[in-house]
Parts: sequence; C-alpha cells; structure tokens
Amino acid sequence: GQQLNQSPQSMFIQEGEDVSMNCTSSSIFNTWLWYKQEPGEGPVLLIALYKAGELTSNGRLTAQFGITRKDSFLNISASIPSDVGIYFCAGSFSGTYKYIFGTGTRLKVLA
Amino acid sequence: GAVVSQHPSRVICKSGTSVKIECRSLDFQATTMFWYRQFPKKSLMLMATSNEGSKATYEQGVEKDKFLINHASLTLSTLTVTSAHPEDSSFYICSAVPDHPMTDTQYFGPGTRLTVL
Repeated sequence: GQQLNQSPQSMFIQEGEDVSMNCTSSSIFNTWLWYKQEPGEGPVLLIALYKAGELTSNGRLTAQFGITRKDSFLNISASIPSDVGIYFCAGSFSGTYKYIFGTGTRLKVLA
Repeated sequence: GAVVSQHPSRVICKSGTSVKIECRSLDFQATTMFWYRQFPKKSLMLMATSNEGSKATYEQGVEKDKFLINHASLTLSTLTVTSAHPEDSSFYICSAVPDHPMTDTQYFGPGTRLTVL
C-alpha cells in the first residue's frame, strides 16, 4: 500500500535535546496528523493540522503543515525519557476519512 | 474523551479456527471505523473501512471473505479472522471517527495481538 516517506528512520538523542522529524509525499493532503505509538499499544494523537502553513503546538511539541500540502514536520523540544516511542505522520485526502501512514520515526532518549 | 477500546487485547488460537475482535467507541458515536494491521517494526496498513449500516470497503489485496467486518451499531465494529493461519499473526488495530464534531481525526484502539499456532 501507499506510504508517506518519513525521516529519519530512527534517532538516538540525549535527554534535553531538541528533536526534529519530517514527512513528505508526492500527493497533496487535506489533513496531516502526528501520532505516537508505544510498544504493544495503539497510536495516540499528538497534533492535527488542517490548513496549509498551519503551525500548531501541544506542550513541547510543534508541528507544521507545509505550504505545498505535501509535507509536514514535528519538533519536540527539551526531550525527556518518556518521549521514547515511534512517531507516525498520517495524511488524509479531501473528502475521505482514510489515512495514509508514514513509515515512522523511532525515537530513543538517553538519560 | 474520544476513547476507543478493543477486545481481546491478545489472543492465541489454533490454525483453522476463527477469531473475533471487537472495537468499541466508548464515549462517542462513530459511523465510520477502520481496521489496520501492523507487522513488527512496521507502519500501519489499512485493511478496510467499516461503515455502520452498509458493507465494509476493503483495500486492494485484502480478502473480504477472510477478514469479515460487521459494524453492528454506532459504537461497535467487529473483525473476524476466519480460518486463521500462522501468516495471519499480527497486531490488529482499529480506529473510529467521531460523528460529532465532524472532522476526519481518527482515534485508535489499543490493538489486539493475534498469534496463530
């Protein structure tokens, strides 16, 4: 099935560092969403973006919907150990509820 | 709010048996739910869209007779893996889209780990 390209695939960072990951697609999406998944659990919604250029924050997390509607980034500031997990972007097309998921970024935080 | 549950959380079954997985939206109604499959260290792959009151829509390559979906009410969708085989072992995750307010945000269940011996 179709997937979004997400980078980096994995990151090992020190506690307190900032993190940046992005998601790109050849398709234009109506909505971009960022989810976090921990082992053996379902994804949990972090941020939803609905407008091109939109910049939204949720605590230490900030995400932006690219102007072209083909990309998005997620930043995490001052990382902490509980930020560990897999971060997925997801895009949906106009007029449909269906998501296309990114390949995921696996984050590990070293205390 | 927007809590989705799945039952069971894990199931082990013998090859050839059928397994039913339930997905419930606990505090909202959802006309539309989705079923995903996830292999270890991989992303979520959409299997089908479950619609209350109508037939499910399956993604290309997903056998509808193998993975039976029934959206019995506005808060319940079930996925039945029929005649399960070891290659059906996977993590199955459902999601639900709240009818109100109308956005396309999906809320995910905690997943069901199926192991077929």
